[in-house]
Amino acid sequence: KAGVTQTPRYLIKTRGQQVTLSCSPISGHRSVSWYQQTPGQGLQFLFEYFSETQRNKGNFPGRFSGRQFSNSRSEMNVSTLELGDSALYLCASSSYLTSKETQYFGPGTRLLVL
Amino acid sequence: QQQVKQSPQSLIVQKGGISIINCAYENTAFDYFPWYQQFPGKGPALLIAIRPDVSEKKEGRFTISFNKSAKQFSLHIMDSQPGDSATYFCAASRRDTGNQFYFGTGTSLTVIP
Repeated sequence: KAGVTQTPRYLIKTRGQQVTLSCSPISGHRSVSWYQQTPGQGLQFLFEYFSETQRNKGNFPGRFSGRQFSNSRSEMNVSTLELGDSALYLCASSSYLTSKETQYFGPGTRLLVL
Repeated sequence: QQQVKQSPQSLIVQKGGISIINCAYENTAFDYFPWYQQFPGKGPALLIAIRPDVSEKKEGRFTISFNKSAKQFSLHIMDSQPGDSATYFCAASRRDTGNQFYFGTGTSLTVIP
């Protein structure tokens, strides 16, 4: 079974631009979560989607948004990029909303904001 | 505010030795405590996890010890190998917030031959 895939793997953007990252969960998984990983703050939860609805949200500004499609694929968007948005963005998929034991992470998208 | 506190930040262990990483939490609503292993350029991978109704769980060379009254849990890696060199994260999750995990700040483990 293929794992969680994220595209693109690397991105370079400039301040003020916007970016869209994509995540394809493991086949059959319906929950997708997004995390931001930085050396200073570690892994921080952004949001979780299940059945095309945002179910949980972390403490990030409204510039960070996401959505989930009917095939469970998810995208996250960051508008008006700031230097501090440079990070590894990780997507994780799970079978269901409460199936923590089945949560698997993708390799991440490395975003650099110049 | 860091919901899960992890120590040490880095750890160097001789091959064959025991690596011990500790985590502490405050929120008694947490009901699931996983440990993740991350290699450079990769996403975190689930290593082992425990729920608060047991005090210890062992899988191969990896053991979680859980102390509910002290709100602490730890990862023990027995017979540490150079291939175990990675960053380890503890995490915690509440029963009412889906798959949202609160992560510790990570421990960089180096196992020297």
